[in-house]
Amino acid sequence: SAVISQKPSRDICQRGTSLTIQCQVDSQVTMMFWYRQQPGQSLTLIATANQGSEATYESGFVIDKFPISRPNLTFSTLTVSNMSPEDSSIYLCSVEVGGGDTQYFGPGTRLTVL
Amino acid sequence: AQSVTQLGSHVSVSEGALVLLRCNYSSSVPPYLFWYVQYPNQGLQLLLKYTTGATLVKGINGFEAEFKKSETSFHLTKPSAHMSDAAEYFCAVRHTNAGKSTFGDGTTLTVKP
Repeated sequence: SAVISQKPSRDICQRGTSLTIQCQVDSQVTMMFWYRQQPGQSLTLIATANQGSEATYESGFVIDKFPISRPNLTFSTLTVSNMSPEDSSIYLCSVEVGGGDTQYFGPGTRLTVL
Repeated sequence: AQSVTQLGSHVSVSEGALVLLRCNYSSSVPPYLFWYVQYPNQGLQLLLKYTTGATLVKGINGFEAEFKKSETSFHLTKPSAHMSDAAEYFCAVRHTNAGKSTFGDGTTLTVKP
């Protein structure tokens, strides 16, 4: 398994500002994922972040809105840029371990945009 | 392409009763299947998974699930519900050797005393 921490755990932000969410893992992992969980809904994959390469974004998500960094094998950041109330969600970091068959999730960052 | 359908967005059971949460999937290749639980204001916790081998898999907290290829199902069960089981449950599928998981819409389990 993996122990994943996220910072901040929650935040309330103003429209038009940006927030950077940090994800730290207690072991080296190849693949990291960022998900969004809008209120009362399921998880939607934003992007996959591999160390040493550009993040791969899913349909409907763009780098200008959700820039991602992956400087090493234990850390990643997701920035939510130029926020609007529609960005109010839980943002979850996830990693792949166990030979590639299992994903583990961080506790999430609860973002409210006013 | 892969997809997951969880039948019943809300399930309510009495304490001590059987819990059955339904999940059907579609996948063009043999899938990996997962159940996750999300307690209020927390992240997702892995309950159990099926990758290969035995089709009946046991997880934490007394939950188990059976992979039925002919029915493309992976239903989650627990013989006797406990109040602490009240949570949101997500079924997920991913292709073998591929990084992306697809999640169902979730089922909210309520346990009545």
